[in-house]
Parts: sequence; C-alpha cells; structure tokens
Amino acid sequence: DQQVKQNSPSLSVQEGRISILNCDYTNSMFDYFLWYKKYPAEGPTFLISISSIKDKNEDGRFTVFLNKSAKHLSLHIVPSQPGDSAVYFCAASVTRGNTPLVFGKGTRLSVIA
Amino acid sequence: GAGVSQSPSNKVTEKGKDVELRCDPISGHTALYWYRQSLGQGLEFLIYFQGNSAPDKSGLPSDRFSAERTGGSVSTLTIQRTQQEDSAVYLCASSFLTGANQPQHFGDGTRLSIL
Repeated sequence: DQQVKQNSPSLSVQEGRISILNCDYTNSMFDYFLWYKKYPAEGPTFLISISSIKDKNEDGRFTVFLNKSAKHLSLHIVPSQPGDSAVYFCAASVTRGNTPLVFGKGTRLSVIA
Repeated sequence: GAGVSQSPSNKVTEKGKDVELRCDPISGHTALYWYRQSLGQGLEFLIYFQGNSAPDKSGLPSDRFSAERTGGSVSTLTIQRTQQEDSAVYLCASSFLTGANQPQHFGDGTRLSIL
C-alpha cells in the first residue's frame, strides 16, 4: 500500500514554462514533506521542504504547495530550464525528530529547449 | 569531502556471496539511514540509526540483511547469501538529530548487481 503516490511517471515541459509536479499521500500523520531531485548515477539532492503548518514555501524558482485537506502537494518550477531535467521524488515523514522518509516512485521531468 | 560518501560505487557479485557496503555520513550528523532503490521503484527504507539508540530495523527485507554503525559515524550494510532480487542501488543518508524538520542528505549510492 503506497503511502506516497506520484501518479505521473513522466512530464515534458518547454523551456521557460512552468513545471508542475504532483504528489498525493494517504497517511494523515505525515507532517513534513520534501522534494528531492535525482540525476542518473547520483544520489537524490534535497530541493525544498514544507512543514504541515504552512501551505506554501518558496525558494527561488521552486515553490511547494501543500493542501492538507486534500492530502496533496505540488512542486512548481518556474521558469523551467533544461538543467531541471531529472527525476523528482516526493517524500514525507512524521517529524518530531528525524524519522525515515517515505518516498513516491518519482516523476521524470524533461525540459525541452 | 563535505557530503555523504559511499563505497564501493559499483559492486558485481555472484549469487550466494556476502557483500558489505560502506557509508561515511556528513560530519556532525547523528542520524543515519539506509534506503534502496530497485529498478523503476521509489526509495525503500531499510534501517535507521539515531544517535546511541537501538537502530530501527523495521525496513530490512530479511534476516540476510544487517547493518552496524561504529563509533556513531561510519556504517556498514551487510547482505549475506545474496539473491538476484537484492540487485538495487543502495543509498545512505544522514541528518542532524536535533531539531525537527532536518532534511536528509544522500550519498551517490552503491549499485549492487547479483549475477
């Protein structure tokens, strides 16, 4: 039973446009959410996170939105750049200290020049 | 280096052999995690070390898997009598223990192939 779901295995976006990656979760105990970016043959790189007490967190071109009632979060990248092409993983945890992350299966983003 | 270091980067071995994978966390990080990513799957939690507490082994898939962390720093993940389904990328991550909402930082992983 997948607790974190990324229903789109892939996404293609034109350079300069907005990329929107979606993630749904089922466990209402999750209260900390993260996005990681992964290039081939490298480990996941932390991108941005959001605590459940917020509904939006912004860092440069990256914004994460959290809708707790819908158990849904999304990552917006604007403007998208070719270097953003990677696999993006959504992850969640029950915080109050560090706990193992539960990951989605990832979405492969291709930004086309 | 400043990041999480894992070795070897690649390991090919025959079915039935034992393997040891090593993780050197970021200095000062007291929490250490092992995950694995099988082909086409997300990252699957294996085991978690938190300071001096007993490790959380709830993610280990079988008793052929074990891990230890010596001196609160370097960790080794051991897989005994390897099977083909053990083929995956094994990823180690570390984070600060104190304070909530500390992101985990990953190494580049060990790609394990069982022939």
